[in-house]
Amino acid sequence: NAGVMQNPRHLVRRRGQEARLRCSPMKGHSHVYWYRQLPEEGLKFMVYLQKENIIDESGMPKERFSAEFPKEGPSILRIQQVVRGDSAAYFCASSPPPQGNQPQHFGDGTRLSIL
Amino acid sequence: SQQGEEDPQALSIQEGENATMNCSYKTSINNLQWYRQNSGRGLVHLILIRSNEREKHSGRLRVTLDTSKKSSSLLITASRAADTASYFCATGVTGGGNKLTFGTGTQLKVEL
Repeated sequence: NAGVMQNPRHLVRRRGQEARLRCSPMKGHSHVYWYRQLPEEGLKFMVYLQKENIIDESGMPKERFSAEFPKEGPSILRIQQVVRGDSAAYFCASSPPPQGNQPQHFGDGTRLSIL
Repeated sequence: SQQGEEDPQALSIQEGENATMNCSYKTSINNLQWYRQNSGRGLVHLILIRSNEREKHSGRLRVTLDTSKKSSSLLITASRAADTASYFCATGVTGGGNKLTFGTGTQLKVEL
């Protein structure tokens, strides 16, 4: 049983470039969540998606950040024109359709470094 | 301050001792969850306690929830070196959909 798969594990970009982070949820999970973790801090919610639909993007920065979860393929978190402040670990989690209280299952994250 | 703050920030104990971590939160919640994060890895779900529950056990873990004080505690009994990790509480907030709000974490070090 494969867990949540994120790639790449590490990504280095120069300021102004684009970063694409991918997440494949656990088998049978239709809901994906993206979180960002700065050094020595907890995770901060960014966006919550199901297939072809953004449910909650209240944690997404207004500019440069976008997310999608297409009908086929992984969920993508895209950061355009990256800046140094985007350096962080980005975690994806997945769950089945939420029915009451249930845990989320996390991937090992993508560590993004901006030069 | 943030929803979900753990106390202490760091804890160092000897193997075999018990470790207690506390979490406070601010808003009404559906549930509270505890996760473990090993260095450089993702989060591993440990235990979920619903807002109408007061205590829950799982192996060497014991979680309590006091909604009147908006606080929770995680007790790890008979700690092992392998328990060394960061521990986070996360709340599922009433009306917040299924997103989680995380605390700042407690770094636990268990020494041999």
